[in-house]
Amino acid sequence: KQEVTQIPAALSVPEGENLVLNCSFTDSAIYNLQWFRQDPGKGLTSLLLIQSSQREQTSGRLNASLDKSSGRSTLYIAASQPGDSATYLCAVRIPNYGGSQGNLIFGKGTKLSVKP
Amino acid sequence: EPEVTQTPSHQVTQMGQEVILRCVPISNHLYFYWYRQILGQKVEFLVSFYNNEISEKSEIFDDQFSVERPDGSNFTLKIRSTKLEDSAMYFCASRTGISNTGELFFGEGSRLTVL
Repeated sequence: KQEVTQIPAALSVPEGENLVLNCSFTDSAIYNLQWFRQDPGKGLTSLLLIQSSQREQTSGRLNASLDKSSGRSTLYIAASQPGDSATYLCAVRIPNYGGSQGNLIFGKGTKLSVKP
Repeated sequence: EPEVTQTPSHQVTQMGQEVILRCVPISNHLYFYWYRQILGQKVEFLVSFYNNEISEKSEIFDDQFSVERPDGSNFTLKIRSTKLEDSAMYFCASRTGISNTGELFFGEGSRLTVL
């Protein structure tokens, strides 16, 4: 059974610092991996999607990497800002062995706090 | 930018009551999903829906739950007789049918509180 783990559970950094969030998964049979941002009491905002054949994706100050064989992904945030404070969720898309669908398995998230 | 919209944003109900949560997926999307997040816990898959039928469901999605696409735009989740443990944030998501590897887009969620 696929398990997704995110370390650390919480992280507090001063503004301007570069940081890395970690995600690991137990089964390398994935379609893709998505990183999401969740503000308190709010929905899930997709940040980056990495297909299983890709190694990394970049969007602005965000860079996500994927090492499928070792079951790891990292989200790198450059020059962090107080507005980056949120919970960051990692999710892997797994095949549905009974059909063509596949659903997302989520980690518990890393709660990031960026201090001004 | 197109988005997934959900109503209501918050619903409070008494145990045993029926609840319907509504979602309007992105208009050209073909696959629809419901997920839930109990406070402080992981987001969990409930059900996926394609071509007017359930394509996959988790063990959470028991006989108390049902989904429907009553018209060309809405996608609903019904809980027939709510229990205290159904209190959670419920998220609707959708994706295109272009490939199996498409990105899922989530709504803002509907918070359900069962008293």
